[in-house]
Amino acid sequence: DAGITQSPRHKVTETGTPVTLRCHQTENHRYMYWYRQDPGHGLRLIHYSYGVKDTDKGEVSDGYSVSRSKTEDFLLTLESATSSQTSVYFCAVRSMNTEAFFGQGTRLTVV
Amino acid sequence: SQQGEEDPQALSIQEGENATMNCSYKTSINNLQWYRQNSGRGLVHLILIRSNEREKHSGRLRVTLDTSKKSSSLLITASRAADTASYFCATDSDSSNTGKLIFGQGTTLQVKP
Repeated sequence: DAGITQSPRHKVTETGTPVTLRCHQTENHRYMYWYRQDPGHGLRLIHYSYGVKDTDKGEVSDGYSVSRSKTEDFLLTLESATSSQTSVYFCAVRSMNTEAFFGQGTRLTVV
Repeated sequence: SQQGEEDPQALSIQEGENATMNCSYKTSINNLQWYRQNSGRGLVHLILIRSNEREKHSGRLRVTLDTSKKSSSLLITASRAADTASYFCATDSDSSNTGKLIFGQGTTLQVKP
């Protein structure tokens, strides 16, 4: 698993509440990513980071924000969760021009 | 829209047959990567092919890359029931070294015993 930990692994939350997902890595990879996976859509990039405090938007960033204050942690925040954000969220890490390593995923349900 | 588009979306074959999946992309790339995902699990890397390479092999896997057509293919030879999974291509196409990595929608492969 390349030292990647996602937390929590499962979460049920109510519409309108803020939610933060955490990705932690132990191998000092430069790049970190948050994807969501939904049936029929494959993996869609939400946000990514190319260094501490360096982040950029992906394909589906609306309603999400991220922060990376340390190399090892990349946080994804849903400011006000909506039912459309019910999904499985994957964190990934990698170094330049190499393959990505994925976390186990977080299953988020917004009710 | 996503950078990588895969074809077919679903593929069903008998054990022992070969399986071919295709990936098309839109912009120039640094490299293209193939991943596998078993149901309910995270993605696992299979092969990375760089833009200056045309073919790579790993065991029963063969990947080709045609940058003039902006396409790649993944061939699994002598398939096994255990190869049943979803397969995704991903393109590393960012020239500014921000590491943006975009995935396609995937091909679901079923190998029947």
